[in-house]
Amino acid sequence: DARVTQTPRDKVTEMGQEVTMRCQPILGHNTVFWYRQTMMQGLELLAYFRNRAPLDDSGMPKDRFSAEMPDATLATLKIQPSEPRDSAVYFCASGLARPYSGREKRTYNEQFFGPGTRLTVL
Amino acid sequence: AQTVTQSQPEMSVQEAETVTLSCTYDTSESDYYLFWYKQPPSRQMILVIRQEAYKQQNATENRFSVNFQKAAKSFSLKISDSQLGDAAMYFCAYRTMNRDDKIIFGKGTRLHILP
Repeated sequence: DARVTQTPRDKVTEMGQEVTMRCQPILGHNTVFWYRQTMMQGLELLAYFRNRAPLDDSGMPKDRFSAEMPDATLATLKIQPSEPRDSAVYFCASGLARPYSGREKRTYNEQFFGPGTRLTVL
Repeated sequence: AQTVTQSQPEMSVQEAETVTLSCTYDTSESDYYLFWYKQPPSRQMILVIRQEAYKQQNATENRFSVNFQKAAKSFSLKISDSQLGDAAMYFCAYRTMNRDDKIIFGKGTRLHILP
């Protein structure tokens, strides 16, 4: 039963500490997304990767957030230093994007979401 | 930029009754996907139903169906024979059909099922 896994499931930390969240995409998937869910903003895209290369990180605060894919089986999202306003649920999702010439309708590829990491920064 | 709006923060429905959740969106594109996701208290995001914009027929998945009005940019979800397990946050979402795979979500509607 293939699924996206995320660790830790819950994290409580103090302001100023470094936080690292990990995601293992479904084996064979080549796109990975990081979303953040808060009560005020809902679900927002922070960054996404295709074939391990970052394609869009415009939703991510650059001064304290960083996202990487050290290899095809691991994506990380780091916050340093963490602040109380970073408290949220962080979701990772993965999918399989197929080559697209632009002349035909794309084959639908579903994004599969992990269970999320609930981060609380005190 | 594309936007998705859900104007109902919360709704309640009696068990076994039918409820409709509203969603409007804005885009200048002609080809795209629309989705409804369910998020129960476990916080897992579950895809409920998908609609391709080029299809005129409304998508249906068991008790879940949509009313897709492309010209009006409206995409509502109807849940028939509501069950206690349907209680959750429901998110309307948009995704283009070009190489950009990112999903744009609405703020969500919390659905309560009354026994």
